[in-house]
Amino acid sequence: EVQLVESGGGLVQPGGSLRLSCAASGFTFSSYWMHWVRQAPGKGLVWVSRIKTDGSSTNYVDSVKGRFTISRDNTKNTLYLQLNSLNTEDTAVYYCARGASSGYVISHWGQGTLVTVSS
Amino acid sequence: QTVVTQEPSLTVSPGGTVTLTCASSTGAVTSGNYPNWFQQKPGQAPRALIYSTVNKHSWTPARFSGSLLGDKGALTLSGVQPEDEADYYCLLYYGGTWVFGGGTKLTVL
Repeated sequence: EVQLVESGGGLVQPGGSLRLSCAASGFTFSSYWMHWVRQAPGKGLVWVSRIKTDGSSTNYVDSVKGRFTISRDNTKNTLYLQLNSLNTEDTAVYYCARGASSGYVISHWGQGTLVTVSS
Repeated sequence: QTVVTQEPSLTVSPGGTVTLTCASSTGAVTSGNYPNWFQQKPGQAPRALIYSTVNKHSWTPARFSGSLLGDKGALTLSGVQPEDEADYYCLLYYGGTWVFGGGTKLTVL
């Protein structure tokens, strides 16, 4: 069974940093693209970032470019999202999601971790 | 900035049929946008329903189907059940990045 478990969320002040983790199990982690998606309270889903199987390619939504960094450790079956220069608009539940080994699909989701940016 | 537009809300009667659509500000939605569709119920993570326009996941109920309708992506629910009441999101691929639609709140009444 595919499992994705996010952690690392919490309360952080504007301008602060946080690192989110996503522990993956139940599949060959190194064979799949991985994504981060966020959802502000009461709002819709926003795709944030993706990373290729070996970490050699990454993409970001414009609003986080230069502030967020996606990475992965295939030896630990873990996906990361480093969040820097946080502002109140970054307050959201952050989900990790499994992408494709081939093709263009997002199939499995974690339960999310809440990041609250507030003074 | 690319915008993906969905109907904000739709209402359907139990047993009825409803089609949700997904439009792109860049032009027609095509198979090259690899439309994905997701269902989200309150307090839950999203659940994947459809990928690459028409393909169902192993867990997707048969009453859900995906297609291209004119210049839009589409999700059709046939024989709607009360448990289908949820928010539905489409997701489109734009050569490296993905963009979600704003979501459709489906009410079964």
